[in-house]
Amino acid sequence: SAVISQKPSRDICQRGTSLTIQCQVDSQVTMMFWYRQQPGQSLTLIATANQGSEATYESGFVIDKFPISRPNLTFSTLTVSNMSPEDSSIYLCSVKKGRGTEAFFGQGTRLTVV
Amino acid sequence: GESVGLHLPTLSVQEGDNSIINCAYSNSASDYFIWYKQESGKGPQFIIDIRSNMDKRQGQRVTVLLNKTVKHLSLQIAATQPGDSAVYFCAENNRDDKIIFGKGTRLHILP
Repeated sequence: SAVISQKPSRDICQRGTSLTIQCQVDSQVTMMFWYRQQPGQSLTLIATANQGSEATYESGFVIDKFPISRPNLTFSTLTVSNMSPEDSSIYLCSVKKGRGTEAFFGQGTRLTVV
Repeated sequence: GESVGLHLPTLSVQEGDNSIINCAYSNSASDYFIWYKQESGKGPQFIIDIRSNMDKRQGQRVTVLLNKTVKHLSLQIAATQPGDSAVYFCAENNRDDKIIFGKGTRLHILP
């Protein structure tokens, strides 16, 4: 398994501002992902965080809105830029230790935009 | 395209009875499926997985069945307990090795 720590666990932000969420894993992992979970909904994949290169975004998500960094094999950040109330969601970091294996999840960051 | 969906959004089960949560998937190329449990305020927790070369896999109180002919997946929970109350997601590991989630079923345990 993997222990994933996300910071902050929750935040209330003003519209138009940006928030950076950090994800720290207790061991080196092959793959890191960011998901969004809107209230009462399932998880939607935002992007794959690639070490040393630009993240790979899913349809409907763009780098300008959700810039991602992954400087090493244990850490990644997701920034939610120029926030609006529609960005209010839980954002979750996820990791996989190898191909064809299960993903582990952090506790998530509950974001409320007012 | 690929999608993973669930038949029922909410399932109420008497404590002690067995629970069966169903899931349909559309991507016949998927070769790995996972069930997750998500409790309130927490991230999804791995329950059990199954690869496409298997029809059934058992864990502690849980069984996953895979029917590739009709692209159907189910999770069976034996002797359901109050601690089983949660939202359950089936998920598919796609060809890009990304985990894609279905809609989720909320399991409610009746006393």
